[in-house]
Amino acid sequence: DAGITQSPRHKVTETGTPVTLRCHQTENHRYMYWYRQDPGHGLRLIHYSYGVKDTDKGEVSDGYSVSRSKTEDFLLTLESATSSQTSVYFCAISDIRDRVGYEQYFGPGTRLTVT
Amino acid sequence: LAKTTQPISMDSYEGQEVNITCSHNNIATNDYITWYQQFPSQGPRFIIQGYKTKVTNEVASLFIPADRKSSTLSLPRVSLSDTAVYYCLVGYGGSQGNLIFGKGTKLSVKP
Repeated sequence: DAGITQSPRHKVTETGTPVTLRCHQTENHRYMYWYRQDPGHGLRLIHYSYGVKDTDKGEVSDGYSVSRSKTEDFLLTLESATSSQTSVYFCAISDIRDRVGYEQYFGPGTRLTVT
Repeated sequence: LAKTTQPISMDSYEGQEVNITCSHNNIATNDYITWYQQFPSQGPRFIIQGYKTKVTNEVASLFIPADRKSSTLSLPRVSLSDTAVYYCLVGYGGSQGNLIFGKGTKLSVKP
């Protein structure tokens, strides 16, 4: 399995509090992604990174921010959590070369509950 | 509007071949189609990837017609352990932000 860890694995927080989720990789892959997974919606991209300090928005970026200060770490922050952000969050990495494709390796996920 | 569409669920029996189709009318010219498998409480896992015609590996085949507006994942002789959700991922050009997953097909394999 690809070396990807996510922390925390489970978190319960209250509405209005800030939350930061961490993704750590040991593969030295260039691309890192944050997805959320909800019943009936599948996986939706929140933000992604294509290098240190290089990030861009995905399909459902509102209410989320990201940072990548090192190749191995990609942080997802909910500045003020809302109940609609209750979800399972997955981090993924890929090492795209020559536009070959998008084989992504996923972490184990973080289950976030906002009460 | 970019949209990746696949059936919500499918049922099969052990030993049968299963074909799951994904529709992607607006796929970008240079982008690939990728399929993932997900078990409960785990992250998705890569199965197979293709650009056109047919691709085969040790676990699946992927069929892509010439117009590339759809693709079919084929699982030969499924077993109970193939019960999972299968996702297709398609690129719609421009950037990584235009990668769109389908909503997943829940495959149930019965004995």
